[in-house]
Amino acid sequence: QKEVEQDPGPLSVPEGAIVSLNCTYSNSAFQYFMWYRQYSRKGPELLMYTYSSGNKEDGRFTAQVDKSSKYISLFIRDSQPSDSATYLCAMSDSSYKLIFGSGTRLLVRP
Amino acid sequence: DAGITQSPRHKVTETGTPVTLRCHQTENHRYMYWYRQDPGHGLRLIHYSYGVKDTDKGEVSDGYSVSRSKTEDFLLTLESATSSQTSVYFCAISESDRGGSYEQYFGPGTRLTVT
Repeated sequence: QKEVEQDPGPLSVPEGAIVSLNCTYSNSAFQYFMWYRQYSRKGPELLMYTYSSGNKEDGRFTAQVDKSSKYISLFIRDSQPSDSATYLCAMSDSSYKLIFGSGTRLLVRP
Repeated sequence: DAGITQSPRHKVTETGTPVTLRCHQTENHRYMYWYRQDPGHGLRLIHYSYGVKDTDKGEVSDGYSVSRSKTEDFLLTLESATSSQTSVYFCAISESDRGGSYEQYFGPGTRLTVT
């Protein structure tokens, strides 16, 4: 079993929909949680960074962490075709090494 | 791409040849990382560096070596390339371990094909 599990998708939604992307993990030592967006043939781009449990909002993006359930989520409101990309979750304990999920492909249809 | 460049961006090489990939940063960040990305596996850490001449192994380090003689440059060497090392390689940087700054910023990637 992988330390971080992420549904590969693809997830196809109409423009304007609310998107929910999720990861589960097994290592209770993880404290730092990140979401990256990766366009085709590009490097991952950091979207959200959260520490421990709780919510964090940045524009149309909201990251949630539930450490008791070992579950993290990224919500995208008013999704746009430009949001079509692969979304990677990543997490770390205090060792500076990130463990990544395998990514979820998102397609937002105009 | 946060002041990170990778070279070459594409390379095709033959099995058994040595290959060196270069990562250059202009951010003066302390930590540098090499990852590989393969379908179904996501990003996996190969090696990382926490300062000049200070490096350590990651999850998939077999067949790879690294060197860091300057803050701005981190080299990844495949001593004798194999077909299983065909992948996309990403360099990443992060600022500091102080204050809990664990965010990593990625370069554009190098697409390596070993024939």
